[in-house]
Amino acid sequence: EPEVTQTPSHQVTQMGQEVILRCVPISNHLYFYWYRQILGQKVEFLVSFYNNEISEKSEIFDDQFSVERPDGSNFTLKIRSTKLEDSAMYFCASRWTGRYEQYFGPGTRLTVT
Amino acid sequence: KNEVEQSPQNLTAQEGEFITINCSYSVGISALHWLQQHPGGGIVSLFMLSSGKKKHGRLIATINIQEKHSSLHITASHPRDSAVYICAVRSWGGSNYKLTFGKGTLLTVNP
Repeated sequence: EPEVTQTPSHQVTQMGQEVILRCVPISNHLYFYWYRQILGQKVEFLVSFYNNEISEKSEIFDDQFSVERPDGSNFTLKIRSTKLEDSAMYFCASRWTGRYEQYFGPGTRLTVT
Repeated sequence: KNEVEQSPQNLTAQEGEFITINCSYSVGISALHWLQQHPGGGIVSLFMLSSGKKKHGRLIATINIQEKHSSLHITASHPRDSAVYICAVRSWGGSNYKLTFGKGTLLTVNP
């Protein structure tokens, strides 16, 4: 069964460093999402992406964040200058046109020290 | 902004018990998802529903649109059902289908 994959599974970085989290959505899906979950808190929407542009973003998704679909398969989330409070689990999700159901990746745990 | 509340926050059961987890939301929605999150952190979609009832194995999900309420039931619970169960909703409007999540219910099923 097709699935969303994410790499790395765990990333440790120092405050102020740039990180790129990678996702490979399911191949025929056209809508892509990033969510994050700070430890012990609920999952929060960050950004949605369709047709090579951001379609919606939350207040969390400030200028430090960017997303890109550099080729036909990868979908990336970049954090330019990480802060301690960026430590969280980041989930990528994708869905097919015309269907509500989103398929989630296994997540990347980001630890900022 | 849709507020999603789940109850209970924590639930401990004995193997074989019937489990009910509740979800309520404040604004009308177009779809509601029940998700399962295991200790490793990965999220698995269990159900997506916009009306009525769905059943998959020992899991049953119901939704009452008028009351803005959904329940997830687990029959004959098993220790492998232990996980966090999350309710997430998609509000009307827009085409992005972004989800708003509840805080989750931690279910522990003891043998």
